[in-house]
Amino acid sequence: ETGVTQSPTHLIKTRGQQVTLRCSSQSGHNTVSWYQQALGQGPQFIFQYYREEENGRGNFPPRFSGLQFPNYSSELNVNALELDDSALYLCASSPRTGRGYEQYFGPGTRLTVT
Amino acid sequence: AQRVTQPEKLLSVFKGAPVELKCNYSYSGSPELFWYVQYSRQRLQLLLRHISRESIKGFTADLNKGETSFHLKKPFAQEEDSAMYYCALSGNFGNEKLTFGTGTRLTIIP
Repeated sequence: ETGVTQSPTHLIKTRGQQVTLRCSSQSGHNTVSWYQQALGQGPQFIFQYYREEENGRGNFPPRFSGLQFPNYSSELNVNALELDDSALYLCASSPRTGRGYEQYFGPGTRLTVT
Repeated sequence: AQRVTQPEKLLSVFKGAPVELKCNYSYSGSPELFWYVQYSRQRLQLLLRHISRESIKGFTADLNKGETSFHLKKPFAQEEDSAMYYCALSGNFGNEKLTFGTGTRLTIIP
């Protein structure tokens, strides 16, 4: 069974640019959640995708957007990057949405905005 | 609004001594509480959840609704327990959105 994978591992972008982060969910999982983890903080919920539809969103501006594909992999897109977007971005998949289903985390993508 | 507070950023304990990592939460409904752990160079993983009432790697945590706490305890610390520990809450959101605390770095002194 393959776990959650994320790409790239690291990347550096300039303020104002756009970035796309990718996540492959664990086999058999149809739900993907994205979290932002700033230095010294716990992960913060960005949004969740369930069966290709957004299923809940945290307190993040619209320039944070996402997609989920028919194979349940997912992308996180961030437009007009700001310095404060520098963080570790975590993807987590679960077998279904809702309480009772464990979330399995990927290794994360470290984004640095200069 | 939901909130999870972990008052200790760092905690050092001698091997064989008891461990307690504190977690307090704020939520108006019936939350589900979790402890997640991140060992060095590994990904974040679930340690235990209150509804399971299990002991994992010797750790237990009891949900105290009166004190709104979910402290993590282990009677005898082991060196392999050194890690970053996060307390997290899931409410009645319908999507198991997790709200995390800021984490406690536990170091076991040999």
